[in-house]
Amino acid sequence: AQSVTQPDIHITVSEGASLELRCNYSYGATPYLFWYVQSPGQGLQLLLKYFSGDTLVQGIKGFEAEFKRSQSSFNLRKPSVHWSDAAEYFCAVGVSAGNNRKLIWGLGTSLAVNP
Amino acid sequence: EPEVTQTPSHQVTQMGQEVILRCVPISNHLYFYWYRQILGQKVEFLVSFYNNEISEKSEIFDDQFSVERPDGSNFTLKIRSTKLEDSAMYFCASRDSPLNTGELFFGEGSRLTVL
Repeated sequence: AQSVTQPDIHITVSEGASLELRCNYSYGATPYLFWYVQSPGQGLQLLLKYFSGDTLVQGIKGFEAEFKRSQSSFNLRKPSVHWSDAAEYFCAVGVSAGNNRKLIWGLGTSLAVNP
Repeated sequence: EPEVTQTPSHQVTQMGQEVILRCVPISNHLYFYWYRQILGQKVEFLVSFYNNEISEKSEIFDDQFSVERPDGSNFTLKIRSTKLEDSAMYFCASRDSPLNTGELFFGEGSRLTVL
């Protein structure tokens, strides 16, 4: 069965520190992978996505993620965190069923940023 | 920038009452979705809709739920007789491409509280 695991429920980092949020997926076919961010009171905004090609993808707000097929992982990284990055981060995998596509989501990682 | 809009942002209702959550997808999009997120749990797929019919629905989407596109712009989710466990954040999303690579645009969500 398809699934997404985000092992870290909550992470706290200091402003300016580097960040890595972990994501592991289980999907039998070629995965289409996404990271979304949800700020307090806001909707879900796409940070970046991986479909094929270069395994290191760049997203908005200075985020990047690396797809590692051997580890079934798609970890999100940022070299220097800003206070405005405090939010909930969701990893998701796109799956197909017939002509329909949907997203399977991880539980999310809540990021707090200390000044 | 085009966006998905949802109303109401928050609705409180009594158990057993009917609720309609409204969404205005991005105007040129053809594929519409409802997801929900119960507090502390994963975002879950409810239903997808294309060409005026349901493409796929999850086990959660039982007979109490229905979706409709009553005109060219709105996409609604109706819960006929709400239960306590329907309390959640409901997200509407739309996409212009049928491909798994097509980005899903989300609204800011409608928080439903059932008392």
